[in-house]
Amino acid sequence: SQQGEEDPQALSIQEGENATMNCSYKTSINNLQWYRQNSGRGLVHLILIRSNEREKHSGRLRVTLDTSKKSSSLLITASRAADTASYFCATDDTGTASKLTFGTGTRLQVTL
Amino acid sequence: NAGVMQNPRHLVRRRGQEARLRCSPMKGHSHVYWYRQLPEEGLKFMVYLQKENIIDESGMPKERFSAEFPKEGPSILRIQQVVRGDSAAYFCASSPLPGPDTEAFFGQGTRLTVV
Repeated sequence: SQQGEEDPQALSIQEGENATMNCSYKTSINNLQWYRQNSGRGLVHLILIRSNEREKHSGRLRVTLDTSKKSSSLLITASRAADTASYFCATDDTGTASKLTFGTGTRLQVTL
Repeated sequence: NAGVMQNPRHLVRRRGQEARLRCSPMKGHSHVYWYRQLPEEGLKFMVYLQKENIIDESGMPKERFSAEFPKEGPSILRIQQVVRGDSAAYFCASSPLPGPDTEAFFGQGTRLTVV
């Protein structure tokens, strides 16, 4: 498996439900970032969590990081149809954002 | 403050032609990164440039691919003699001076189709 691998590959939920996506990685990191990509569009930065942090919140997003297990999770609460997108984790082992390693992504579908 | 601007958004080239992809970083950003995304995959790092310098090109294919970021003007990713396998979305990102919490801002990408 590759650095930054998301699980599940695809997730379908109904509006209002919570969505949880997981990311595993292999090497030591300085920080881990989550991005959203709408179909055929660019990436939107969601949240950055440093290696010495365990949890971070931003609006309806909650990110956890477990460096002992080399894993992170992204929780989207009270999902909306507009949250439909692909979500990628990206690890930064340089601490400079100069070389991010992306996973293959989780495709989230939120239905009405 | 405009974001990272990439053009063209879509590019179609026949096998053997050259493809030139342009990226204008955000105002005040002097660091540019290029990534490639194959269908149904995540982004893969290609190259990191500062003005007039290539800092890290460890992700660039050894042949046919080159990148530059001149003192004036946009960064250019150039693919010579394109093949079908070059069909992908190419994303550019930029950042200010790199640091531990630096966020890279991504453009909308250029979708290259080789026919």
